[in-house]
Amino acid sequence: QVQLVQSGSELKKPGASVKVSCKASGYTFTNYAMNWVRQAPGQGLEWMGWINTNTGNPTYAQGFTGRFVFSLDTSVSTAYLQISSLKAEDTAVYYCARDLGYCSGGSCHEDAFDIWGQGTMVTVSS
Amino acid sequence: SYELTQPLSVSVALGQTARITCGGNNIGSKNVHWYQQKPGQAPVLVIYRDSNRPSGIPERFSGSNSGNTATLTISRAQAGDEADYYCQVWDSSTAVFGTGTKVTVL
Repeated sequence: QVQLVQSGSELKKPGASVKVSCKASGYTFTNYAMNWVRQAPGQGLEWMGWINTNTGNPTYAQGFTGRFVFSLDTSVSTAYLQISSLKAEDTAVYYCARDLGYCSGGSCHEDAFDIWGQGTMVTVSS
Repeated sequence: SYELTQPLSVSVALGQTARITCGGNNIGSKNVHWYQQKPGQAPVLVIYRDSNRPSGIPERFSGSNSGNTATLTISRAQAGDEADYYCQVWDSSTAVFGTGTKVTVL
């Protein structure tokens, strides 16, 4: 079945880095864009940006530039989110979410997020 | 930047109808998607492109969108429908989520 499986919870100290993985299965990975969504404790959903799985080109939302990097390894159908120089306010659950819109010819159609990973809790604490 | 406003909470009696609104400037011109999130779980898509249900989502969930308001309707509410609900649109190549609504089934 179509699913996204994310890596496990992480506990990091301020200033460290973390890399979250999101492994896709059950569909052709490069046919659909991958989005990243953050949810701080007790808060709502916040879109971080997305990566074109055809070209590897990332797009970052405002507030998620500089310390956040989206990447891919298409050979293992996996998307990654790396966060550097971690701060306490980065403590959150991070979700990957597949975009229902189809990617073709280097561009992807924006649509609903139809498949979500289970989430990865990242805790930043000294 | 584009904003989506939802009521903080909605209460509905068991078996009755709940309506969750999502307000945005001329939202009727956009595709609206709705997600259900239960405590400790990932969000689940329940309505896409205003009124379409993914496979596996009960017919009790329906959506509409016009003018400045989109609405998610839950008919014959069940205890299992208790959750947070978020609307979402794309605006200028940016995905925007609503503020979220907590639905309580009494």
